[in-house]
Amino acid sequence: GAVVSQHPSRVICKSGTSVKIECRSLDFQATTMFWYRQFPKKSLMLMATSNEGSKATYEQGVEKDKFLINHASLTLSTLTVTSAHPEDSSFYICSARKEGGLYYEQYFGPGTRLTVT
Amino acid sequence: DAKTTQPNSMESNEEEPVHLPCNHSTISGTDYIHWYRQLPSQGPEYVIHGLTSNVNNRMASLAIAEDRKSSTLILHRATLRDAAVYYCILRDRTYKYIFGTGTRLKVLA
Repeated sequence: GAVVSQHPSRVICKSGTSVKIECRSLDFQATTMFWYRQFPKKSLMLMATSNEGSKATYEQGVEKDKFLINHASLTLSTLTVTSAHPEDSSFYICSARKEGGLYYEQYFGPGTRLTVT
Repeated sequence: DAKTTQPNSMESNEEEPVHLPCNHSTISGTDYIHWYRQLPSQGPEYVIHGLTSNVNNRMASLAIAEDRKSSTLILHRATLRDAAVYYCILRDRTYKYIFGTGTRLKVLA
């Protein structure tokens, strides 16, 4: 099966600092990856679509200058939370779209728990 | 907005079948119906998907109504490891997933 990894799995940072989260597709190439955030006991909320070699597409209400997305290769997308604040504390999950064949499927990473103190 | 509605929670006894319903009355002809499940502090895990016909795999079965406005995920024999939040999602041509609230399944020993 297809595997998506995230690094780090957990991170604690101080308010005002920036944090980078990596999302990698380990055994397939992905021109499209997605970033979600999830608050406790809530559902996943799509933040943005990450496109390899081009700018990310952000969902309404998501600050693109706050959440910087870079998709520099077919196996890696990064999400940088800039000038983090306690309200940015959340569970961040990425997914990668596996292409080829007649059907496209998405595979999710294990998530990154961000705590901003 | 999410295009699917599901009950917030359901309970099942271990070793018994579970039927998880999902309504998607605004589904379009090209939308695929996907089911994922999420264990605590983990990313969602693919369960099954379908378009029009009923589908079976090693994890579950998916029954799709003839008008495609609803579907049911069937776990044939629930185990304690099946306790999770189950999400029914419509995948359109943009490939974006808009998650609804999901159904929290509790399996009783």
